Amino acid sequence: AQKITQTQPGMFVQEKEAVTLDCTYDTSDPSYGLFWYKQPSSGEMIFLIYQGSYDQQNATEGRYSLNFQKARKSANLVISASQLGDSAMYFCAMGSNNAGNMLTFGGGTRLMVKP
Amino acid sequence: ETGVTQTPRHLVMGMTNKKSLKCEQHLGHNAMYWYKQSAKKPLELMFVYSLEERVENNSVPSRFSPECPNSSHLFLHLHTLQPEDSALYLCASSQDSSGGSEKLFFGSGTQLSVL
Repeated sequence: AQKITQTQPGMFVQEKEAVTLDCTYDTSDPSYGLFWYKQPSSGEMIFLIYQGSYDQQNATEGRYSLNFQKARKSANLVISASQLGDSAMYFCAMGSNNAGNMLTFGGGTRLMVKP
Repeated sequence: ETGVTQTPRHLVMGMTNKKSLKCEQHLGHNAMYWYKQSAKKPLELMFVYSLEERVENNSVPSRFSPECPNSSHLFLHLHTLQPEDSALYLCASSQDSSGGSEKLFFGSGTQLSVL
């Protein structure tokens, strides 16, 4: 069974500063992928970044980077230079080859960017 | 705009009503999904279709009935729902349903309220 844990229900960050959103996972599958999605108030889930379990380097996508620490089973999302439009819910998710594409989602973190 | 369109955006229904949620994807994907997002709970996978065949039914009550007439359209038929079924229902699609690295593209969801 797979499990995703996001321990921060809510976070504040000052505009233009960096913020880290935590995600830990548990799986017995040797091959898996980790995703981060953003959900603004409009409801749509927006894909942000992906990290494969065998990727040697941490994934980066613009202002988003994933701090992947395999031994600690963590996949934290780092957002640099926060913007007001970053205020949203953020979900960490996991998929594995054994589970097909049935992503398991964490409970989410609500990020609020202060002007 | 992710290429996945859901209608209606909002739906209020009584427990004896019958209604349907519609999802359409314009991405040429082979797999489509229904997720349920309740307040303070992680996203729950309900149904997965791959090439119009159901590949996963996550122990969903029979009052939810999916239909996938072709790879671009997905419906969720609702009847005799309960108040606890009130939630945001998200549709998603992906190129394929196998493997753990497929990115999901989500619609904006249907906010359902059952009175």
